[in-house]
Amino acid sequence: RKEVEQDPGPFNVPEGATVAFNCTYSNSASQSFFWYRQDCRKEPKLLMSVYSSGNEDGRFTAQLNRASQYISLLIRDSKLSDSATYLCVVNDQAGTALIFGKGTTLSVSS
Amino acid sequence: DTEVTQTPKHLVMGMTNKKSLKCEQHMGHRAMYWYKQKAKKPPELMFVYSYEKLSINESVPSRFSPECPNSSLLNLHLHALQPEDSALYLCASSQASSGSYEQYFGPGTRLTVT
Repeated sequence: RKEVEQDPGPFNVPEGATVAFNCTYSNSASQSFFWYRQDCRKEPKLLMSVYSSGNEDGRFTAQLNRASQYISLLIRDSKLSDSATYLCVVNDQAGTALIFGKGTTLSVSS
Repeated sequence: DTEVTQTPKHLVMGMTNKKSLKCEQHMGHRAMYWYKQKAKKPPELMFVYSYEKLSINESVPSRFSPECPNSSLLNLHLHALQPEDSALYLCASSQASSGSYEQYFGPGTRLTVT
């Protein structure tokens, strides 16, 4: 299995801040990319899929750079409720399973 | 509705017990997964079922035995577990087993082996 690497974190930011997470993947054949968030002692929840053209969902923007094998997630106007671990997820070489990064922890404080 | 349900929420078992974890989804998904997650680590894939057939077994010890009775249900039978098997066991489903599809996770079963 190839790896997915993320910023080590943790990120501690005040409310209202903009924060960016980066992720690199080593399998150039990967075709599908996702960001999941996981709250403490809860299951991972899909935050957004990442498309080549980039995509935005409210305060969240995901970007993909296939040439650099790099994915990013930008969170604008951080809220306390954004505090969680963010998992970068990529499909494997066979295209049949997902590979999870180790996650980056975000803590937003008032 | 993207709901995957799992029972029980918590399970404590001794090393000689036999127990089962259950997972159910009604989204019409044809792929279902078992993951194991230890604290502060990402989920680790254990098994993949595609159209009710086991398609991936990630070299999981035989003390874990998966079963897919129908397209909506997935079980994980546990027998003679070790304390190091204590973890959060997550079930997930997706439209198909291609990694192109988003996976939706259940809330998990928190297992403690004593």
